[in-house]
Amino acid sequence: DTAVSQTPKYLVTQMGNDKSIKCEQNLGHDTMYWYKQDSKKFLKIMFSYNNKELIINETVPNRFSPKSPDKAHLNLHINSLELGDSAVYFCASSHHSGGAGDTQYFGPGTRLTVL
Amino acid sequence: SQQGEEDPQALSIQEGENATMNCSYKTSINNLQWYRQNSGRGLVHLILIRSNEREKHSGRLRVTLDTSKKSSSLLITASRAADTASYFCATDGNDMRFGAGTRLTVKP
Repeated sequence: DTAVSQTPKYLVTQMGNDKSIKCEQNLGHDTMYWYKQDSKKFLKIMFSYNNKELIINETVPNRFSPKSPDKAHLNLHINSLELGDSAVYFCASSHHSGGAGDTQYFGPGTRLTVL
Repeated sequence: SQQGEEDPQALSIQEGENATMNCSYKTSINNLQWYRQNSGRGLVHLILIRSNEREKHSGRLRVTLDTSKKSSSLLITASRAADTASYFCATDGNDMRFGAGTRLTVKP
């Protein structure tokens, strides 16, 4: 009965590979997010989807492509992985579009290591 | 868009002491939220304070907001070892932004 789940929890891969991280929420929320937390623990938003539509797309390389098959899922595909992509990626969801007073619920994170 | 910035970056105290963390932001907000992150885990929502509120309590947590100074503080009273975590503030504006967090260590 996990609220926001991500798979895999750990991902170790070689440079140049393509990988995906999956996220699912069972809270009935309309909005889902992807964040990247680097080694300095700085948490940066990457994407936000509301009802399967992209509403925030920060300046991330176009090697990163989110895909939302339905509003309960937001997967993150990363092509041609680079060393600098190593980080912990968090998925989150909220009831509305993350504006005034909207609490976000976070998944446990996926630690990506690119060798 | 804007984000909150926490200070100090790291704080180490003894169990039973109080811990105070601060957050500053740059533009006007509708609300400010505090989150906790245990090592290797996702963030957990702690408390939300709206722009028209000055102080809010939740258990051992006390949050203040000074919109004139564009700052907020999170006070944890009678700290416990289990409070060891990173604490983030997030402001909304058009969308929610997080700072880099304060790493709190509570020594038993």
